[in-house]
Amino acid sequence: DAGVTQSPTHLIKTRGQQVTLRCSPKSGHDTVSWYQQALGQGPQFIFQYYEEEERQRGNFPDRFSGHQFPNYSSELNVNALLLGDSALYLCASSAAGGSGSEQYFGPGTRLTVT
Amino acid sequence: AQTVTQSQPEMSVQEAETVTLSCTYDTSESNYYLFWYKQPPSRQMILVIRQEAYKQQNATENRFSVNFQKAAKSFSLKISDSQLGDTAMYFCASRAGGTSYGKLTFGQGTILTVHP
Repeated sequence: DAGVTQSPTHLIKTRGQQVTLRCSPKSGHDTVSWYQQALGQGPQFIFQYYEEEERQRGNFPDRFSGHQFPNYSSELNVNALLLGDSALYLCASSAAGGSGSEQYFGPGTRLTVT
Repeated sequence: AQTVTQSQPEMSVQEAETVTLSCTYDTSESNYYLFWYKQPPSRQMILVIRQEAYKQQNATENRFSVNFQKAAKSFSLKISDSQLGDTAMYFCASRAGGTSYGKLTFGQGTILTVHP
């Protein structure tokens, strides 16, 4: 049973560019959450998708957007990249609408903005 | 809103000894969950242990146990018989329960180093 997968593993972008990160949830999971983890810090919640809708959002600007597909996979898009967007981006999936179930994390995508 | 605070940036312990990591939290929710996650250098965030706030009994998972003090809003993790593989960043996290929203709020983390 494959766990949560993310692609790519590493990414280097230039300030002002746009980036798309991808996540496939664990089999049987229907909810995907995205987190940003700056170096040496705890993850910060970006948003959560369920039934192809953004259900909850953290304190992130509109430059951060997402999408969930019918197969429950998800994308995180960041426009107009800033140097401060450099971080590890973690995807987590859960089942049963995400209420009482555990969140399983993927290995993350390391984004470097130069 | 929920906040989680870990006041120990770094801890170290000798192999086979016991170590306790501290965590305090604040929440306005009456129903919530608390977690400890482990993040080794490989970056994969792994759930170590979970506590449901309405359960008075402290959760235990093999060598890992928690001391949940609800009135004090404290949630510490005890690792017994420490092993070299326990070396990692440990995060305390909380999540509101009873709703369909599963947002996790994390603390700043504690780096644990187990020495041989």
